[in-house]
Amino acid sequence: GAGVSQSPSNKVTEKGKDVELRCDPISGHTALYWYRQSLGQGLEFLIYFQGNSAPDKSGLPSDRFSAERTGGSVSTLTIQRTQQEDSAVYLCASSLAPGYEQYFGPGTRLTVT
Amino acid sequence: GNSVTQMEGPVTLSEEAFLTINCTYTATGYPSLFWYVQYPGEGLQLLLKATKADDKGSNKGFEATYRKETTSFHLEKGSVQVSDSAVYFCALYSGGGSNYKLTFGKGTLLTVNP
Repeated sequence: GAGVSQSPSNKVTEKGKDVELRCDPISGHTALYWYRQSLGQGLEFLIYFQGNSAPDKSGLPSDRFSAERTGGSVSTLTIQRTQQEDSAVYLCASSLAPGYEQYFGPGTRLTVT
Repeated sequence: GNSVTQMEGPVTLSEEAFLTINCTYTATGYPSLFWYVQYPGEGLQLLLKATKADDKGSNKGFEATYRKETTSFHLEKGSVQVSDSAVYFCALYSGGGSNYKLTFGKGTLLTVNP
C-alpha cells in the first residue's frame, strides 16, 4: 500500500516568509509525528498527534512553528517568519497507534535564503 | 532525559568486511531500541528493533542485541556489501504518558568499497 507522503519535496523561501509543509500518513494510522533533520542538530522530534490532538508539542523550537491535523489524517506544519536556521529536512512519520512502529516519509527539504 | 550516543563516522570498509557500529543509551524506564537506515536520496527505513532486554533484532544480515546491563545496542553485520552504504541511526522510544517520540543518535555514515 501507499506509504507516508510529503509535499513539497523541496521548498526554497525567502527569510521572513511563511511556509506550509504537508504530510499524508498511511491510511488507518492514528498517530503522526514531525521530526526535523539538520546537519548541526541531527534528527529532532517536533510534535506528535494522536488523532487530531497534539499531546506532545515539546519539540517545537519556537512559537513561529505550529502544526495541525484534520480528519485524523493529513497534517500541516506551518513555519511563520522563516529564519535561515529553519533550513532543514522536515520528516513526517506515522504509526498504527502510539508506541507502534513509525514509518517515515521522504521529507521536505526547506531552504531559507 | 533520554539520549543516544553512537560512534561517529564516517566508517569506510571493503566489501565482505565485518561491521560494528556502537550505540549506547540513557533512558528512563524500559525503552524499545531501533536501528534506522537512510540510503542515499531516500527516507528513513526501520532496519531492526528490540523491545526488551536480551532481545536480538535482525534483518538483512544485520543484528543488534539489547544489553540492559551495558545500556548498549550495537549494530553488527558479518559481511558488508556495497549496497549497505548508507547512514545508520540508533534510536530509542521509552513511551509512557504522552511520550511516544523517538530519540535518535547523530548517525553514522558507512561507505563500503568494492
